[in-house]
This record gives sequence, C-alpha cells and structure tokens, in this order.
Amino acid sequence: SYELTQPPSVSVSPGQTASIDCSGDVLTKQYAYWYQQRPGQAPMLLIYKDTERPSGIPERFSGSSSGTTVTLTISGVLAEDEADYYCQSADPAMTYRIFGGGTKLTVL
Amino acid sequence: QEQLAQSGAEVKKPGASVKVSCKASGYTFTNYYMHWVRRAPGQGLEWIGRINPNNGETDYAQKFLGRVTVTTDTSIDTGYMELIRLTSDDSAVYYCAGALYNGLDVWGQGTTVIVSS
Repeated sequence: SYELTQPPSVSVSPGQTASIDCSGDVLTKQYAYWYQQRPGQAPMLLIYKDTERPSGIPERFSGSSSGTTVTLTISGVLAEDEADYYCQSADPAMTYRIFGGGTKLTVL
Repeated sequence: QEQLAQSGAEVKKPGASVKVSCKASGYTFTNYYMHWVRRAPGQGLEWIGRINPNNGETDYAQKFLGRVTVTTDTSIDTGYMELIRLTSDDSAVYYCAGALYNGLDVWGQGTTVIVSS
C-alpha cells in the first residue's frame, strides 16, 4: 500500500514563510491535494493537482512538486493560519485515497 | 451553493452499529462521487470509502472492508455510511465529502460518534 509522510509539526513567526513537505512514491504517479483543518471545523481544500488553488483561497497559499515530494508553502503567515494541514493523493488505479499523517502549524 | 448536511451525534455501545447520513444540496447529486473520511481524537484524517451515486459502485479502504457499507438514496440526494461491530477505536468525527470539481472540495460539518460502554 502507498503512504504519504509529513512532519508532525512546523512552527513559524507571523509574517514569515512556512513550508510543509509531503513525500511518497505515489506522488510520481498521482496528483497531490492539500487541506487545512482548523480546530472544530471540517477540512477545507487549499491546493489541488499539486499547484492549483481553488477560487477563494488566498494567494499566500501555494503548492509545488518535485519527484516524490510535494510542498505546501504559506507566505506571510497569519495567526489564523494556525491549523492542521494534510496532503492527500490516490493509488495509481484511483480506487482509494491516501492522507498524510498531518502537520500541525503553530504560529508563534 | 453546494452543501452537505450531516446527521447528529451518536453514542453507541461496543459491538453496535452506526449509520450516518449526509444530504446534498446545490448540485446534481448523481454527477459526483461522495467520500467518507474520519478523524479520531489525536489522530489524522483517515479515508474510509467512496460511492458513485450514479451507479452505486463503491470502493473501500482495506482497513474497513467487511465492516463498512456506503450507500445512497438518489430520490432524496442523501448518502449513508454504516459501520458495524464498533469498538472504542471507532470513536471519531465522521465526514462526508463531495468530489465535485477538484479533490474533495465540499465537506459536511462532521458527525461525532462516541463508542463507550
């Protein structure tokens, strides 16, 4: 089975840039998606197909991809960005979905 | 506006079953897959399975095979997730999510399921 690996936590000061990596072999075959989940709320799609941003998502959120690693970058971090972030992909046959373990972003 | 509205919280005893509902509005229900995801306390998001409301075809995570059934009632634009033989490890918030355009882009508000004797 395929796995996605994320760091458990990332800390950043307000106004700085945060980067969260997600790695896994399946990322050379399938796109990655990123979700933000604030405490007590449902997840929200931030990035789709590695680099694309849905309408309504601020430009400070961006995604990139290189080989077996995808990266979510948050530029000019705000206090409201403190949340859990998850990468997600699919098996090559697109029959099941895979989530990374999640990264807790702390804004210092 | 596309929305998913889930049923209320449930408290179940070990060994029991739970069935969570998810009513769609604002889009054509049969055109898009519905997925189910859960988050247990202190854990991350976990994909459970999905259904194509157009033809009823389902896919499930290996971990849940034999214990979960995902269905839809297209007459009322509602999806269901039933989990049987509950244990304390199944205590979690369960979400339905619609794959409408790109990724899981519409989510229900979540349904808390507590399994306790």
